[in-house]
Amino acid sequence: GQQLNQSPQSMFIQEGEDVSMNCTSSSIFNTWLWYKQEPGEGPVLLIALYKAGELTSNGRLTAQFGITRKDSFLNISASIPSDVGIYFCAGNFNKFYFGSGTKLNVKP
Amino acid sequence: EAGVAQSPRYKIIEKRQSVAFWCNPISGHATLYWYQQILGQGPKLLIQFQNNGVVDDSQLPKDRFSAERLKGVDSTLKIQPAKLEDSAVYLCASSHSGTSEVYNEQFFGPGTRLTVL
Repeated sequence: GQQLNQSPQSMFIQEGEDVSMNCTSSSIFNTWLWYKQEPGEGPVLLIALYKAGELTSNGRLTAQFGITRKDSFLNISASIPSDVGIYFCAGNFNKFYFGSGTKLNVKP
Repeated sequence: EAGVAQSPRYKIIEKRQSVAFWCNPISGHATLYWYQQILGQGPKLLIQFQNNGVVDDSQLPKDRFSAERLKGVDSTLKIQPAKLEDSAVYLCASSHSGTSEVYNEQFFGPGTRLTVL
């Protein structure tokens, strides 16, 4: 099946810093989605990307759909403590595949 | 609008016992998904329904797992008998269906955390 490689696995940053994480795949996707999951909760959709090269923002979050359709990145600017959680990428080509997550820790 | 509802939130059973999970999707969402999320991993799709029909169950361990969505609304996922490796969070998600790209957006419930002893 499809493999999504998500990196980094975890990050420890200071409040106010910017964060970048990415996902790569060996195959192309039609859609890239980015989710955030907090303990004891289901993933919450942050950003959806539908076209190669598309750059979309949601507040302090910005995500891009790679032009090869095999990768995507998520940036968080000026991080705050409530950004703590696990961020998942998901790609869709007839079926959804999820990355293994990036665990973000923000130190006040 | 109300989100995806799941119950129970937590379940502890012994191996070889049976367990069932329930999901009620967002009103109007024709597509329903069950995922298994093992600790430290991303969700893995078990089964996808379109209304009351199965679209994809290629990763469902059919010797012990079953799922149904009889009336095309809520759904149940059953494990019988459970094994230790079934310990995980079982997530339900739903989405609209159709050809528009917005129908790719899945909304998740809070999940059911299963512990098999």
